[in-house]
Amino acid sequence: EPEVTQTPSHQVTQMGQEVILRCVPISNHLYFYWYRQILGQKVEFLVSFYNNEISEKSEIFDDQFSVERPDGSNFTLKIRSTKLEDSAMYFCASSEARGLSSRRTGELFFGEGSRLTVL
Amino acid sequence: GQQVMQIPQYQHVQEGEDFTTYCNSSTTLSNIQWYKQRPGGHPVFLIQLVKSGEVKKQKRLTFQFGEAKKNSSLHITATQTTDVGTYFCAGRAGGTSYGKLTFGQGTILTVHP
Repeated sequence: EPEVTQTPSHQVTQMGQEVILRCVPISNHLYFYWYRQILGQKVEFLVSFYNNEISEKSEIFDDQFSVERPDGSNFTLKIRSTKLEDSAMYFCASSEARGLSSRRTGELFFGEGSRLTVL
Repeated sequence: GQQVMQIPQYQHVQEGEDFTTYCNSSTTLSNIQWYKQRPGGHPVFLIQLVKSGEVKKQKRLTFQFGEAKKNSSLHITATQTTDVGTYFCAGRAGGTSYGKLTFGQGTILTVHP
């Protein structure tokens, strides 16, 4: 069964360093997302991406964050200057995105996540 | 902005007991989805509800969407140890199937054998 893959599974970094988290969405999916989950807490929306541009972003997704799809398969999240509070599990997700009238649900397929620890 | 609240935060049950988690949105939703996250895992889609008053069943799980499309519930009958995990509701306010999903805080279910 197709799945979303994420690397690395765990990254430890020093505060102020840049981090790139990588994702390979399911190949025929059209919409891509990043969510994060601070330990034991809710899953928070960061950004959605469609047709090579950001379609929606949350207030968490400030200027230190960026996303890109450099080669048509990878979908990356860059955090330019990490802070302690960026420590979290970062989930990539993808969706086929069909109209509500179709049998597709727009369900999100999540990757296993990348755990980021900022020291 | 849109908020999705979920209660209870924790639920401990004996195996065989029933379990219910409730979800309330601050705004009317176009659809609501439910996800399950096993300990150490990632959210996995369970179901989507779209219509006002909709009820769907998956074996021992029953999902409801409120008439006003602002609340939802998940009920598990006769819990099993395999039901352990965090159950999240997630709502979409826009009329598309690809807009932002706003997750509730989740209900952590523990099932004692």
